[in-house]
Amino acid sequence: SAVISQKPSRDICQRGTSLTIQCQVDSQVTMMFWYRQQPGQSLTLIATANQGSEATYESGFVIDKFPISRPNLTFSTLTVSNMSPEDSSIYLCSVETGQAGSQYFGPGTRLLVL
Amino acid sequence: GDSVTQMEGPVTLSEEAFLTINCTYTATGYPSLFWYVQYPGEGLQLLLKATKADDKGSNKGFEATYRKETTSFHLEKGSVQVSDSAVYFCALTQGAGGTSYGKLTFGQGTILTVHP
Repeated sequence: SAVISQKPSRDICQRGTSLTIQCQVDSQVTMMFWYRQQPGQSLTLIATANQGSEATYESGFVIDKFPISRPNLTFSTLTVSNMSPEDSSIYLCSVETGQAGSQYFGPGTRLLVL
Repeated sequence: GDSVTQMEGPVTLSEEAFLTINCTYTATGYPSLFWYVQYPGEGLQLLLKATKADDKGSNKGFEATYRKETTSFHLEKGSVQVSDSAVYFCALTQGAGGTSYGKLTFGQGTILTVHP
């Protein structure tokens, strides 16, 4: 398994602003993922972030809205840009350990946009 | 595309009751299957997994068997406790070499409440 931390744990933001979420892992991992969990909903993959390459975005998510950085094998950031109330969600990062695709999740960042 | 369907909740049980949460999937190839649990106010935790047909994943008294013939991965526990109250998510991922490698596709989640 892996120990994953996220910052901030929660935030309240004004519409039109941007928030950068950090994800730190206690070991080097190749694949990191960013998910969104809207209120009362399941998790949806935003993008896959591999170190040394551009992030791969899922349908419905674009780089201008959710830019991602992956500067090394233990760290990644997700920025939620030009926020609107519809962006209010829990944002989670996860890592894939290579054990049959098992992924471990960070505690999540609870975002409320007013 | 891949999809996961879970039984609708919420599920309410008394302590020591038997639990079944149904999960069926649609996927190409041979996905790996997972159950994740989200306790109140906490993050998502991997509960158990199975990587091929007829595999049984187990953890903390929970079990699930990968049934390829029925494309199912039902979660069971013989005697639930109040501390099992949580949201349970069934999920799948495709293996290496697939175009969606690493992507977890989740079911909608099932809320379980266990009363003393």
